Amino acid sequence: AQSVSQHNHHVILSEAASLELGCNYSYGGTVNLFWYVQYPGQHLQLLLKYFSGDPLVKGIKGFEAEFIKSKFSFNLRKPSVQWSDTAEYFCAVNAVNQGGKLIFGQGTELSVKP
Amino acid sequence: DAGITQSPRHKVTETGTPVTLRCHQTENHRYMYWYRQDPGHGLRLIHYSYGVKDTDKGEVSDGYSVSRSKTEDFLLTLESATSSQTSVYFCAISSPGSGISSYEQYFGPGTRLTVT
Repeated sequence: AQSVSQHNHHVILSEAASLELGCNYSYGGTVNLFWYVQYPGQHLQLLLKYFSGDPLVKGIKGFEAEFIKSKFSFNLRKPSVQWSDTAEYFCAVNAVNQGGKLIFGQGTELSVKP
Repeated sequence: DAGITQSPRHKVTETGTPVTLRCHQTENHRYMYWYRQDPGHGLRLIHYSYGVKDTDKGEVSDGYSVSRSKTEDFLLTLESATSSQTSVYFCAISSPGSGISSYEQYFGPGTRLTVT
């Protein structure tokens, strides 16, 4: 069965620090990859997505992610975090031959100290 | 934001009672999904629908049923609520097809359900 693993459960950073959140998945076929963000008390919003092409994708609010197929990874990065980035971040994978279903990781809670 | 509403937004119910949550969309998307969100588990798929009257189970479907009689509405029913079903429930929609927007899901605001 497919699975998605986010290694960091809770990350605490100071403003202006760089961020990298890990995401690994287990599936040998073609995948679509997503990062979603959930601000406190809100619903999930799409940060960025990878379907094909350039493995380095850029999303909203200065976030980017790199798909490394050989490592089954899709790590999220931001060079300089802000207090407003405090949220929970979810990596999700869609296996192309299994319809529209997404498998989510456990989530990483990011706390940014002002 | 995508046109997705969920009702109710909050509900407290007693063990053993039936509960129905509603998801309504105005986007005419073909696919609809129900997830539950629990700390340490992320979002887990309960059931999904790929068209009117076409539904299938997700990874945590036990104790839940769904119905979709029209494109815009997807109902989730807990036949006999248990405390383990206390959770936040999210509905999502997508419109699979070709191109970069394939399978991108849009989420509703969530329903917080407490079973006492």
